[in-house]
Amino acid sequence: QSVLTQPPSASGTPGQRVTISCSGSTSNIGSNAVSWYQQLPGTAPKLLIYYDNQRPSGVPDRFSGSKSGTSASLAITGLQSEDEADYYCAAWDDSLNANWVFGGGTKLTVL
Amino acid sequence: EVQVLESGGNLVQPGGSLRLSCAASGFTFRDHAMSWVRQAPGKGLEWVLGISGSGGSIYYGDSVKGRFTISRDNSKNMVYLQMNSLSADDTATYYCAKEVRGTAGFGFQTWGQGTMVTVSS
Repeated sequence: QSVLTQPPSASGTPGQRVTISCSGSTSNIGSNAVSWYQQLPGTAPKLLIYYDNQRPSGVPDRFSGSKSGTSASLAITGLQSEDEADYYCAAWDDSLNANWVFGGGTKLTVL
Repeated sequence: EVQVLESGGNLVQPGGSLRLSCAASGFTFRDHAMSWVRQAPGKGLEWVLGISGSGGSIYYGDSVKGRFTISRDNSKNMVYLQMNSLSADDTATYYCAKEVRGTAGFGFQTWGQGTMVTVSS
């Protein structure tokens, strides 16, 4: 049971816009920065979004992040076949034991 | 080029110990917090524990408190994960990750390729 809640799966066709949600609480998303990671099959995770909506250099602007209250979203526009991967959200949690928490991951399928 | 490279993964018996190492290069090491994140086979990501850039603050995940410790040597650009009292639940690929800032909580900017730890008799 992950602290952050993501849908287990999402799908879209090439060129479409897809969003992945991440729901948390006031101790994590509600008070700290959200980051998003892409994990292609058999590879290490890669940072896509940090500070809620900032893209590291090299990440296409097709990827964007947003946050409102205790929820965050990752949007992918102009979906491409190479976007098929697992996506994870993460945030720092200020509750009793300060630590990082992850979402359970969303498997994105490009149809 | 910014890189982190893990080593030390192995097959270990239940109750045993193992030390993982992470070698960092291409950035000012002391300016960044470092964490270990693991992924059990077929499962999602689980943060294990982290350490601030100075080494003065250490953060523990609930599942490893009292069994795992993290340390860093800023003179050698190295991070270490000492794992004791290992159980089958600790079987996973362990990733070393460089955080965005010197304190934890802002994002994992760079990941290593991972090192596999298998706990089995």
